[in-house]
Amino acid sequence: GQQLNQSPQSMFIQEGEDVSMNCTSSSIFNTWLWYKQDPGEGPVLLIALYKAGELTSNGRLTAQFGITRKDSFLNISASIPSDVGIYFCAGPDSGGGADGLTFGKGTHLIIQP
Amino acid sequence: NAGVTQTPKFQVLKTGQSMTLQCAQDMNHNSMYWYRQDPGMGLRLIYYSASEGTTDKGEVPNGYNVSRLNKREFSLRLESAAPSQTSVYFCASSESGWENTEAFFGQGTRLTVV
Repeated sequence: GQQLNQSPQSMFIQEGEDVSMNCTSSSIFNTWLWYKQDPGEGPVLLIALYKAGELTSNGRLTAQFGITRKDSFLNISASIPSDVGIYFCAGPDSGGGADGLTFGKGTHLIIQP
Repeated sequence: NAGVTQTPKFQVLKTGQSMTLQCAQDMNHNSMYWYRQDPGMGLRLIYYSASEGTTDKGEVPNGYNVSRLNKREFSLRLESAAPSQTSVYFCASSESGWENTEAFFGQGTRLTVV
């Protein structure tokens, strides 16, 4: 099956710092999704990208769909304590449509006071 | 707004016991999914249901069965639980596939098999 490689695996940053994480794949994705999971909760969709080269913002979050369709990145500007959590990239399985999503293994974001 | 509701939230089973995880959504979504989440593994798809009356295997279906009872409900059954099935299970739903942003996850069921 398809695999998504996320990096870094974890990040320890100071409040106020900017954050950058990325996701790469050996195969092409037509959609890239970024989710955040708070402790004890299910993932929540942050940003969806549908077009190669697309750059989309959601508040302090910005994500881009790579031109090759094999990568995507997520930036968080001026981090705050509530940004703590696990960030996942995901893309529809090769069947598309209603098939499942393939998830990366996640980036753990930890903010030090 | 309830969204996706999973029951139970926590469960401990003995090896060999059976149980059913329940999931219901109130958003009139066509597609529903079951995932498991293990440390360092991300989320892996167990089964999905593209629409009422259909179910298909995902990446890790062995040891599980599902039932799409109606449009609202999609249950996951463990017939004979094994320690390897200790995990957090998430149900999700979307209007139709993943081509739109209206995809929601439940809060998870934390299952321990001893």
